[in-house]
Amino acid sequence: KAGVTQTPRYLIKTRGQQVTLSCSPISGHRSVSWYQQTPGQGLQFLFEYFSETQRNKGNFPGRFSGRQFSNSRSEMNVSTLELGDSALYLCASRKAGGHQETQYFGPGTRLLVL
Amino acid sequence: AQSVTQLGSHVSVSEGALVLLRCNYSSSVPPYLFWYVQYPNQGLQLLLKYTSAATLVKGINGFEAEFKKSETSFHLTKPSAHMSDAAEYFCAVSNNTDKLIFGTGTRLQVFP
Repeated sequence: KAGVTQTPRYLIKTRGQQVTLSCSPISGHRSVSWYQQTPGQGLQFLFEYFSETQRNKGNFPGRFSGRQFSNSRSEMNVSTLELGDSALYLCASRKAGGHQETQYFGPGTRLLVL
Repeated sequence: AQSVTQLGSHVSVSEGALVLLRCNYSSSVPPYLFWYVQYPNQGLQLLLKYTSAATLVKGINGFEAEFKKSETSFHLTKPSAHMSDAAEYFCAVSNNTDKLIFGTGTRLQVFP
């Protein structure tokens, strides 16, 4: 069974631009969560989608948004990029989203904002 | 609010020595606890998880963790370190809203 895939793996953008990251969950998984990982703040939860609906949201500004498609694939978008948005963005999927369920992580997209 | 504290941002051991990575949690409800490992330039891989079935949890690669409610701890151990265990380890708790709350991580170095 294929794991969680994320594209692109690496991305370089400049301040003020916007970026879209993509995540394909494990087949059969309907819940997709996004996390931001930085050296200073560690791993922080961005949001979770389940059946095309945002079910949970972390404490990030409105510049960070996401969506989920009917095939469970998810995208996250960051508008008006800032230097501090440089991070590893991790996507995780699980079957239905119960909090005892294991979240399976993808390899991440490393974003560098110049 | 739920939280996780990992004591020691860096731990160094010799190959063959015991590995002990510490994790303490704070939770107002029975927690679900996880240990993940992250190798350089990779995502997170689940090592093991506690979901109240048994207090001693065995995971992959010879790791195990013991849930101690009285100490609010979930420390990760491995009897004999291997060079390939060098990585960053994260303890996480799952709260009622289904998101994972991570500790700050512990970087494990293994010396020959």
